[in-house]
Amino acid sequence: GQNIDQPTEMTATEGAIVQINCTYQTSGFNGLFWYQQHAGEAPTFLSYNVLDGLEEKGRFSSFLSRSKGYSYLLLKELQMKDSASYLCAVRDSNYQLIWGAGTKLIIKP
Amino acid sequence: DTAVSQTPKYLVTQMGNDKSIKCEQNLGHDTMYWYKQDSKKFLKIMFSYNNKELIINETVPNRFSPKSPDKAHLNLHINSLELGDSAVYFCASSPGQGVTEQYFGPGTRLTVT
Repeated sequence: GQNIDQPTEMTATEGAIVQINCTYQTSGFNGLFWYQQHAGEAPTFLSYNVLDGLEEKGRFSSFLSRSKGYSYLLLKELQMKDSASYLCAVRDSNYQLIWGAGTKLIIKP
Repeated sequence: DTAVSQTPKYLVTQMGNDKSIKCEQNLGHDTMYWYKQDSKKFLKIMFSYNNKELIINETVPNRFSPKSPDKAHLNLHINSLELGDSAVYFCASSPGQGVTEQYFGPGTRLTVT
């Protein structure tokens, strides 16, 4: 079956750095997405990786290793507004998005 | 200038009723989706339409019927609502089926009592 694994919850301190991991087992691979979802709101797109390596976008970076079925989202200089759930999603060989359950990130002052 | 809009935002109804959720996107996208997000926060694809044609129809009860009158609209009709249908339903759109990000509507929180 297809599976996306992420930690359920993480806690970090304002101003610090946090890394959210995602491992996947899917039938084929056509890219990996990270989305942010604040409580009670819709998911919003953060990043996309299809080749191995690091993609940097401001305070957020996303890394992919296809051979290991592994990605991480790195958030730097954490702000209180970064408190949200972070969803990892993989596009499979049929171009369907398979979603993880998300990681709830709690930022403390 | 909302990109993807859904109505209603909240829907409380009784078991056995029939209800509809409407979705519209003004982004000019070709592909639209319906997702269900349950209490455990898993996002599960229900349907996908490309240029008004159904391209994904996951295993959902046939009480759920999508309708796409044009490529800017994808409505979801649910017959004979059950308690287990309670969830947040998200509509989304993307420029195409390929490697593109999806834009989500604000969600409709459905509560069946």
